[in-house]
Amino acid sequence: DIQMTQSPSSLSASVGDRVTITCRASQNINTYLHWYQQKPGKAPKLLIYTTFTLQSGVPSRFSGSGSGADFTLSISSLQPEDFATYYCQQSYIPPFTFGGGTKVEIK
Amino acid sequence: EVQVVESGGGLVQPGGSLRLSCAASGFTVSGNSMSWVRQAPGKGLDWVSLIYSGGSTSYADSVKGRFTISRDNSKNTLYLQMSSLRAEDTALYYCAKMTGLTYYLDSWGQGTPVTVSS
Repeated sequence: DIQMTQSPSSLSASVGDRVTITCRASQNINTYLHWYQQKPGKAPKLLIYTTFTLQSGVPSRFSGSGSGADFTLSISSLQPEDFATYYCQQSYIPPFTFGGGTKVEIK
Repeated sequence: EVQVVESGGGLVQPGGSLRLSCAASGFTVSGNSMSWVRQAPGKGLDWVSLIYSGGSTSYADSVKGRFTISRDNSKNTLYLQMSSLRAEDTALYYCAKMTGLTYYLDSWGQGTPVTVSS
């Protein structure tokens, strides 16, 4: 199975900060990498699919990059509504494993 | 509007069985690939199973041989039959629609809780 490793597992940041979350796959997954945001008590929400593409309605301060085995989610200017947990997921080969999550907290 | 609504969760004893349902609206389960994802209390997301639009299926190693994913096209509903349940299967179970050539999960339900305890 493909293992997905996210870092950091948590971070504290201030409104307006630039935030970067990384996700590493245990093997090449091409660009079959997606990012989800989850707020407490809510279902996950798709943010970015296939490494780069913003889901409809997602603010442009979110961006994704990478290929192969190393990927990044960036938030250019953190907003109050962005405090949440973020997960990466690969869909290159089943099982379509998730990373362990990155909790973004208010500093 | 695309929507999925899970049901069927509850309290079950270890070794017991439960069938989860996921009613879809705004799209057809037969024409789309679907997944089940679970989340244990306070933990991260854990992919469980998928069924492709063509009907083939896949499972996480942790549930293989115990869980079965299926769909009823006439009811536009996805199912997850769970048997030989263990305490570690306790989680909120989400149904999600898979989309595109890269199978991202673009529509999620609110989940149905499963508790395995004596």
